[in-house]
Amino acid sequence: QQQVKQSPQSLIVQKGGISIINCAYENTAFDYFPWYQQFPGKGPALLIAIRPDVSEKKEGRFTISFNKSAKQFSLHIMDSQPGDSATYFCAAATTSGTYKYIFGTGTRLKVLA
Amino acid sequence: KAGVTQTPRYLIKTRGQQVTLSCSPISGHRSVSWYQQTPGQGLQFLFEYFSETQRNKGNFPGRFSGRQFSNSRSEMNVSTLELGDSALYLCASSPEGNVGYTFGSGTRLTVV
Repeated sequence: QQQVKQSPQSLIVQKGGISIINCAYENTAFDYFPWYQQFPGKGPALLIAIRPDVSEKKEGRFTISFNKSAKQFSLHIMDSQPGDSATYFCAAATTSGTYKYIFGTGTRLKVLA
Repeated sequence: KAGVTQTPRYLIKTRGQQVTLSCSPISGHRSVSWYQQTPGQGLQFLFEYFSETQRNKGNFPGRFSGRQFSNSRSEMNVSTLELGDSALYLCASSPEGNVGYTFGSGTRLTVV
């Protein structure tokens, strides 16, 4: 129940294309869903986050789509650029009580120039 | 505004030794969490400290311990190192709890 399942494990996209990464969770107590971007040799950096009371959040080229009934959420990267090549992690957390993130297993994205 | 600072960046230790890792959170952040990152297991929660108290602990053996000081700086200790402890150890801070984590660049521990 504490797992967050992330897919695909790796993704190759042409420059200008759309990258889509999906995550699914089981625990309905989760109420905060962030996405992190990690470059080699660096720690994960918060990209965008969503609460379950909205179905979509957009920040620049990055969009989170959230489906509460299906317990799924996804990251869309529009107009993907080579500089977006990194590993992306979804996570789920409760904002009261447990104070820990459950991370997905990560998606290694490569954007071809 | 300075980010989360972890020291050292790299560490090589021998099996059976112990190690202490340090984390200085963003100024004003009172919550510090530690994660272990490995290729096989991904990011796994170790523990979280808030105002010098451990609030939550992950499923790691007792060889992994931590503490937080009054200035919110935190240390993590691993005793009796095993080869499987080789990993990137990440520290994350946030103002109050688990919303809005900022991660440090991590300490790469290699156990030989």
